[in-house]
Amino acid sequence: ETGVTQTPRHLVMGMTNKKSLKCEQHLGHNAMYWYKQSAKKPLELMFVYNFKEQTENNSVPSRFSPECPNSSHLFLHLHTLQPEDSALYLCASSRDTGGAYEQYFGPGTRLTVT
Amino acid sequence: GESVGLHLPTLSVQEGDNSIINCAYSNSASDYFIWYKQESGKGPQFIIDIRSNMDKRQGQRVTVLLNKTVKHLSLQIAATQPGDSAVYFCAENINTGGFKTIFGAGTRLFVKA
Repeated sequence: ETGVTQTPRHLVMGMTNKKSLKCEQHLGHNAMYWYKQSAKKPLELMFVYNFKEQTENNSVPSRFSPECPNSSHLFLHLHTLQPEDSALYLCASSRDTGGAYEQYFGPGTRLTVT
Repeated sequence: GESVGLHLPTLSVQEGDNSIINCAYSNSASDYFIWYKQESGKGPQFIIDIRSNMDKRQGQRVTVLLNKTVKHLSLQIAATQPGDSAVYFCAENINTGGFKTIFGAGTRLFVKA
C-alpha cells in the first residue's frame, strides 16, 4: 500500500541464529531507514542510507548490520541477538535526507528473540 | 526493578466529535514537522506536514497548528470516525546541517461509536 515492503512479517529466532530482514521500496526514493519500535520506547532511528551511503548510525550494537546494495533495497542482518532486541523493525524511505520530506514506512517485521 | 511498557497518552472521543492531539517538541532548530498515524499491525502513515514558516495547514478533515513560541504542535481531526482510531505520532526535523528526525512517543486515539 505505501510502496515499501518488508519481509518477513514475523520472525522468531534464537540468540545464536543469524537472520536477515529485507526491505524494498518502489517509490524511486534515495533515502532509506531502519527503525526499532518496542513497547518500552518511542520509535528509535537505527540507520540512515542516502544514495546507498550510510549517513547515520545511531549507536546501534554491532549485532545489527545494515546493508544497502542499491537505493531500492535495504537489509538488516541479525546475529547473536538478545531477548531485549525483540521489537517491531520498521523500514522507511524518503525522497532523500537533504530536505523536508515525509517518510513512507513499510508494515514492519515483528521480531521475537528467544 | 523491571521497567514498565511505554504508557501512551490516550484520547477517547465520540464518533462525530472533533479530536485534538497535542505534541510538545524539543528543539528550536526544528524546521519541519510531520504527523503520522499508525494503525494496529501497520507501519506509520503520513497524514500532514508543516514547515516552520507556517503556523497552520489544512488537509482533508485534518488541521495542523504550530506554535513556535512554546514549541507546540497540534493535530485536529474533524468529525472523528471509527477508522481514525490509531496511535498518532508527531515528528520534528532538526536542521543542523545534517539529517535528524525525532519522533514523539505517540498518543492513542479511541473513537467510540
